[in-house]
Formats: sequence, C-alpha cells, structure tokens
Amino acid sequence: TQLLEQSPQFLSIQEGENLTVYCNSSSVFSSLQWYRQEPGEGPVLLVTVVTGGEVKKLKRLTFQFGDARKDSSLHITAAQPGDTGLYLCAGASNYQLIWGAGTKLIIKP
Amino acid sequence: DAGITQSPRHRVTETGTPVTLRCHQTENHRYMYWYRQDPGHGLRLIHYSYGVKDTDKGEVSDGYSVSRSKTEDFLLTLESATSSQTSVYFCAITTGTLANTGELFFGEGSRLTVL
Repeated sequence: TQLLEQSPQFLSIQEGENLTVYCNSSSVFSSLQWYRQEPGEGPVLLVTVVTGGEVKKLKRLTFQFGDARKDSSLHITAAQPGDTGLYLCAGASNYQLIWGAGTKLIIKP
Repeated sequence: DAGITQSPRHRVTETGTPVTLRCHQTENHRYMYWYRQDPGHGLRLIHYSYGVKDTDKGEVSDGYSVSRSKTEDFLLTLESATSSQTSVYFCAITTGTLANTGELFFGEGSRLTVL
C-alpha cells in the first residue's frame, strides 16, 4: 500500500509567521499536487509539481518537489488569516492519486 | 466553475436504508470519481468511471456501487447504509487520464449521516 504522510496534521499560528507543511513517501511519484479546501467546499488545486527539485511560487506560497520525487513541501511566508484552510497533497503513481491526510491550518489575526 | 453539482448536499438516514448520491457535470469529461473524506484519512477513492457504463473499484469500494448511464451523471449507491459510511462524499472530474492525472475539479460535497 502506497502512503503519503503529511505533517503536521494541525497547525495554529499568528498572522505574519512562516510555516512549512511536508508530504513524505517511500514511493516515487510522477507528479504531486497541492490542494486547498475551505469548510463546506471541495478541494481546489493550488499547484502541480512534476520535475524532481522543481520549485514553484504562488505569491507567498512556495512549493518544492524533492529531487527523488518522493516528497514535497509547502512553505507559506507571512501567513494571513485568508490562508486558513485544509491543505492536501496528492501524489500520482501507477495510474492513481495517493492522498495525504491533510494539514488543518489556522491563522489567527 | 467546473460545472459539477452534487445532490443531495445533506442527508440523514437510518442504518439499513438505501441511499443514492448523484453527481452531475456539464463539462462532458470522460473521467469521474467518487471519494469519501473522513478526519485523519484525507480523501479515499470509492469508485471511478472512465466512460459510459465503464466503472472500476477504488480502495474503499466495499458497500458501494456506482452507475454511469450518461456522460453527465455518475451515481453512487449505498445498498444498505451502515454507520461506518457516515462521511462527506465528493465527486470529482478531471481533464487528464488515468495515466496522467490532471487537475481534479471537485463538487461541493454531500454530507451523509447514518444513524
């Protein structure tokens, strides 16, 4: 069974702080996606990383794909209350998507 | 807006009753998926479809069946609901393929409570 371990499961920080969310696996992925989900809604894609070592930036969010394509991180700089939500990673492997359990992020004003 | 609607959005039912959740898309996409989401488990694939009358099982398919008689509709049925099937169910479509999963577009979810 392929696993994608996401950490931390829960994070509550003050506005303006930085944070990093990690997704780790022993499996190699052809690509890795990051989604954000707000209460009562479905997940929405933030980014897809494909190449080992790839770094993508989306305003204050920086996504990195590990060199071996087994892990990924999401770094948020100067977090804002609008960043609050559930962040999910999903790795593509063997014709399927493997999902992390999610990180519930709360940014306090 | 990805043109996906799920119905019902909320349902409370009793153990042993049948339940059908409907997913409707207006995008004419080939691939459709049913997931369940539970705290601590992320999203788990129940069934998926790669065309009309073409469906296959996901990792948690026991107790669920699906049907796709039209491109736009993908139905998820719980023949005899159990309390362990209390969950939030999401339908999703993709523009990708099984071999190259593109972006998934999700519906707003159907919250099912089985008493």
